[in-house]
Amino acid sequence: DAGVIQSPRHEVTEMGQEVTLRCKPISGHNSLFWYRQTMMRGLELLIYFNNNVPIDDSGMPEDRFSAKMPNASFSTLKIQPSEPRDSAVYFCASSTDVGGGYTFGSGTRLTVV
Amino acid sequence: GENVEQHPSTLSVQEGDSAVIKCTYSDSASNYFPWYKQELGKRPQLIIDIRSNVGEKKDQRIAVTLNKTAKHFSLHITETQPEDSAVYFCAASHTGGFKTIFGAGTRLFVKA
Repeated sequence: DAGVIQSPRHEVTEMGQEVTLRCKPISGHNSLFWYRQTMMRGLELLIYFNNNVPIDDSGMPEDRFSAKMPNASFSTLKIQPSEPRDSAVYFCASSTDVGGGYTFGSGTRLTVV
Repeated sequence: GENVEQHPSTLSVQEGDSAVIKCTYSDSASNYFPWYKQELGKRPQLIIDIRSNVGEKKDQRIAVTLNKTAKHFSLHITETQPEDSAVYFCAASHTGGFKTIFGAGTRLFVKA
């Protein structure tokens, strides 16, 4: 199994531009999570899906952030418009069941200049 | 709301010594407690976990203990090695609750 696959690995963009992060969970995992990691705030849960349905998006910072999971093998996190304070590492993770251990992707390091 | 507190934030030990990281949780419904290790520039990886029906679990040099009454759980690393240097995260969740709450992390330095 290739694990959780995220793309791109690195993204540098200018303030105001749209950014789309992508995630492919492990086949058979029915829960998917998007996290943001910064030195100041640690690991923050942004949103999670169960069986492709968004369950809790209370961690999404503001309306500039949106996430979708159109099918069991693909999810996107979009930031529009991006701001310098969005600079962070964004991790996608998946798990087999509710409350089980996560497998994290390699992350996307986003830099907004 | 749900919260997981983790201590210490930084821990420095000599190679061969033991390291202990402690966490407390607030949600009494929590019944699953994983620990993740994150090396510099890498993803967090699950290293050991414990469920609420067990008080202790061991895997080679690492062990976890759980005290449900006090809502405490701990990670113990014995005979530490330089490659144990990383950030360690504790977490808590419960089946039916979907999401996992992470602690703030402990940066462990093992000096050779």
